Amino acid sequence: AQTVTQSQPEMSVQEAETVTLSCTYDTSENNYYLFWYKQPPSRQMILVIRQEAYKQQNATENRFSVNFQKAAKSFSLKISDSQLGDTAMYFCAFEGWGGADGLTFGKGTHLIIQP
Amino acid sequence: EPEVTQTPSHQVTQMGQEVILRCVPISNHLYFYWYRQILGQKVEFLVSFYNNEISEKSEIFDDQFSVERPDGSNFTLKIRSTKLEDSAMYFCASSVGGRQPQHFGDGTRLSIL
Repeated sequence: AQTVTQSQPEMSVQEAETVTLSCTYDTSENNYYLFWYKQPPSRQMILVIRQEAYKQQNATENRFSVNFQKAAKSFSLKISDSQLGDTAMYFCAFEGWGGADGLTFGKGTHLIIQP
Repeated sequence: EPEVTQTPSHQVTQMGQEVILRCVPISNHLYFYWYRQILGQKVEFLVSFYNNEISEKSEIFDDQFSVERPDGSNFTLKIRSTKLEDSAMYFCASSVGGRQPQHFGDGTRLSIL
């Protein structure tokens, strides 16, 4: 079974700063997918970014980028020029190659952007 | 942009009663999922559904739970004999295919009294 670990329960940074959220995972699979989801106070789950394990290039979506280290089983999220609207819970998630696999989530990091 | 919609947004039910949570996945999506998030805890996978049958289910998804796609648009989660510990946020998700990103609905908050 896969496990996802997020070791930072809460982080707080000033607006416009860069922040990095950590995630490590454990799996015996060689191909899989990794995700970061954002859950604002409204509690909807919003996909932030997706990484395919067979791709060496780190995924990027505007201000959001990842540092994917497959050998280390590490998948951190970097948010540049942080904005007040980035305040949310951030969940790291793993999905196996199976095709209809459920996502395995970490416990989340509560990110607070201070004005 | 197409969305996954869930109804109701909040459901309050007496312990022991049956509850049905409803979801309308994105119209061209073929894979459907239910997840649960107990307050303050991480999101947990319950079940995935494809081609009118369950593809995978977690240990949480026992005989108390069932899923159904009664028509071409709805996807439901039924919880029988609800217990206090079933109180949680239930999220529906759908994806266009296997190995494609899952899109989540806004969730149904289930409160068991």
